[in-house]
Amino acid sequence: QSVLTQPPSVSAAPGQRVTISCSGSSSNIGDTYVSWYQHLPGIAPKLLIYENNQRPSGIPDRVSGSKSGTSATLDITGLQTADEADYYCGAWDSSLNEYVFGTGTKVTVL
Amino acid sequence: QLVLQESGPGLVKPSETLSLVCTVSGASIGSGYYFWGWIRQSPGRGLEWIGSLYPGLRTYYHPSLQSRVTLSVDTSRSHFFLKLDSVTAADTGVYYCARTKAGHTGFDFRGQGTLVSVSA
Repeated sequence: QSVLTQPPSVSAAPGQRVTISCSGSSSNIGDTYVSWYQHLPGIAPKLLIYENNQRPSGIPDRVSGSKSGTSATLDITGLQTADEADYYCGAWDSSLNEYVFGTGTKVTVL
Repeated sequence: QLVLQESGPGLVKPSETLSLVCTVSGASIGSGYYFWGWIRQSPGRGLEWIGSLYPGLRTYYHPSLQSRVTLSVDTSRSHFFLKLDSVTAADTGVYYCARTKAGHTGFDFRGQGTLVSVSA
């Protein structure tokens, strides 16, 4: 059971927007950077956001991340069928002394 | 461009040791500034961090695995290793190596992962 809580699933129509929340605590999100990952079956996870809101090269600007207090949010606008995947947040937890991934959110494009 | 390639035996017997190698190209493991980590996903479960190593400086392990896991590097051969002792069926899954900046700001996965099954 992860210390970072995400909604199990979110869905939206193509072209719409989805928002995925990641709720943590003062020892993880509240204390350090949050990252976000996209995971499609059979391939390695892809880093979408690092350091709360930074996009690696190649990640489109319709993907964005933010952090406030002990929670973080991933936004995907202009939803595409290719965005159907599992999404995880992640952060270092200074109390547990480990890197923790969120519980994961399945995004469905209706 | 960073490329990571995980490799190892696809099948390991219970109670034996799992050994995986991550071959790194496009970057120098020993150049500093980065942690090198292993992450896995067991069937039906989410991502689980196993551990991270900063060559020559610091290694972190998942507390629940700490007694069984060892990370190491061979910078001369650009190899990064995972050794997991006394495996059980619960260790079955896909194992990934990845890189992150100091501070664990976000893991960059550049390999395909390697599937490991623990079975007699």
